[in-house]
Amino acid sequence: KNQVEQSPQSLIILEGKNCTLQCNYTVSPFSNLRWYKQDTGRGPVSLTIMTFSENTKSNGRYTATLDADTKQSSLHITASQLSDSASYICVVQPLGNTPLVFGKGTRLSVIA
Amino acid sequence: ETGVTQTPRHLVMGMTNKKSLKCEQHLGHNAMYWYKQSAKKPLELMFVYNFKEQTENNSVPSRFSPECPNSSHLFLHLHTLQPEDSALYLCASSQRTGDVTEAFFGQGTRLTVV
Repeated sequence: KNQVEQSPQSLIILEGKNCTLQCNYTVSPFSNLRWYKQDTGRGPVSLTIMTFSENTKSNGRYTATLDADTKQSSLHITASQLSDSASYICVVQPLGNTPLVFGKGTRLSVIA
Repeated sequence: ETGVTQTPRHLVMGMTNKKSLKCEQHLGHNAMYWYKQSAKKPLELMFVYNFKEQTENNSVPSRFSPECPNSSHLFLHLHTLQPEDSALYLCASSQRTGDVTEAFFGQGTRLTVV
């Protein structure tokens, strides 16, 4: 069964610190992996999309990595800001015309 | 703004009411989606429309009825809902289904069934 598992479920960090969120998936065949940021009460906003051949992709202070062999991805946030407080959702798209598979998300709280 | 607009943002309805959610996208996309997001659960795909044709109905109860009059507009008609249907309903669009392209989400409609 296609699944996406994220860890930790929630995380609290101090402003200015770095953090790393994890995503493991069992989706096969694999097309691409996406990270979304979702502020409370709002829709998800895309941060990165990575295909099979991409190992890392950055978007400002956000850096995503992908290991397609171990089926793992991580999202690293550098020098966190209060505005980074949100849920971060890992999403995997199977190959072909198949729906996206969503993780439950990691709830990140950045505190002063 | 993502280019996908949902209205209303909040909706409270009784179990005997009929209401509709609206989604509009100005991105020239051909695929539109309805998702349900409940607390502590992954997003659940409900319906997919590709070039105005429904291509996916993910075993959604008939009390939810989608309508896609054109590629830019998507509706979700609601009737005789249950309290467990309370959730955030998200609309999304993409260039087409199956592509490695961005999916853009609306802000969602927070639905409360009383």
